[in-house]
Amino acid sequence: DQQVKQNSPSLSVQEGRISILNCDYTNSMFDYFLWYKKYPAEGPTFLISISSIKDKNEDGRFTVFLNKSAKHLSLHIVPSQPGDSAVYFCAASEQFNTDKLIFGTGTRLQVFP
Amino acid sequence: DSGVTQTPKHLITATGQRVTLRCSPRSGDLSVYWYQQSLDQGLQFLIQYYNGEERAKGNILERFSAQQFPDLHSELNLSSLELGDSALYFCASSADSLYGYTFGSGTRLTVV
Repeated sequence: DQQVKQNSPSLSVQEGRISILNCDYTNSMFDYFLWYKKYPAEGPTFLISISSIKDKNEDGRFTVFLNKSAKHLSLHIVPSQPGDSAVYFCAASEQFNTDKLIFGTGTRLQVFP
Repeated sequence: DSGVTQTPKHLITATGQRVTLRCSPRSGDLSVYWYQQSLDQGLQFLIQYYNGEERAKGNILERFSAQQFPDLHSELNLSSLELGDSALYFCASSADSLYGYTFGSGTRLTVV
């Protein structure tokens, strides 16, 4: 049972436009969510996170939105840059325990000029 | 440098052989996780160790085993290798922080 789902395996966006990556979860006990970015042949790196007490968290060009009622979160990248081309994983945890993360399957973002 | 060190970076071996992948966690992190990523698929959780003890097990094959030593480094042993075991193997460590896991750069295993 996939508790964290990223239903779009890939996304292609023009440079300068907005990229929106989506993530759905099924476990209502999840209360902390993270996004990781992964370049080829490198390990994933932490990008941004949000706790369930918020519905939005912003860090520069990256904003994560959380809709608890829909069990849905999204990562917005504005404006998108070619260097953002990577695989993005969302992850979730219960009781703010980041010692046990459940990862989604990832979305490959390609930003073209 | 993430602080999580994985060796070797690349490994090519024949079917039926056995290999050992090594991971040194970030200083102070007690948890170590192993993940497999095949053919650009998602991260498949294999196993977690916490301070030397196995804490959680994922989709790890019986041919695979792992351990965490007193100095907290961990080894993933893969035996009777098959072509389908070719993948990127990532190690991560965690201190239960707001940043979640810190991943190493991975070991690319090619079984020929």
